[in-house]
Amino acid sequence: AQSVTQPDIHITVSEGASLELRCNYSYGATPYLFWYVQSPGQGLQLLLKYFSGDTLVQGIKGFEAEFKRSQSSFNLRKPSVHWSDAAEYFCAVPYKDMRFGAGTRLTVKP
Amino acid sequence: ETGVTQSPTHLIKTRGQQVTLRCSSQSGHNTVSWYQQALGQGPQFIFQYYREEENGRGNFPPRFSGLQFPNYSSELNVNALELDDSALYLCASRVQGVREAFFGQGTRLTVV
Repeated sequence: AQSVTQPDIHITVSEGASLELRCNYSYGATPYLFWYVQSPGQGLQLLLKYFSGDTLVQGIKGFEAEFKRSQSSFNLRKPSVHWSDAAEYFCAVPYKDMRFGAGTRLTVKP
Repeated sequence: ETGVTQSPTHLIKTRGQQVTLRCSSQSGHNTVSWYQQALGQGPQFIFQYYREEENGRGNFPPRFSGLQFPNYSSELNVNALELDDSALYLCASRVQGVREAFFGQGTRLTVV
């Protein structure tokens, strides 16, 4: 069945440093893939999505993600992290419902 | 364009009680899904409604039930509350056939 795995539970980066959050998917065909962000106690905000076509997708807040079929990955990246990026990040794949990874908590050091 | 709104934002209930959570879908969205997010975990699918009928359900017992109304808004009802029901409950809406879902801010339920 379709699923996603986020191998990193918690990542800490310094403000201004680059960021990469990992997501691996399990899917037979070309998947739809999403990244959501959740600030503490809040709902989920869609950062970006991949449906088909260009494997590098741009999202909001300066985030991008690259779909790599050969690695079954859809990693989220940002070249320079801001303190306000501290949050929980979820990779997701739609099936009959939306299936989420366990999430990666991002801490930003000043 | 109004986004997905949920009410209430927080509530506290006693074990054994019943609770109703509400969700207004985003304008033009006809499909509503509910998720439970326990602390430190990813959201887990409860069920989905389309055309006022449940058309998908996750691994949740029957005491979790729902409704969808003609205006596409939805309710989640939980009977016989248990301590483990304490969680953030998220509602998401989308257009049937479109994969992209938009989430509300959630209702934080605490069962004591």
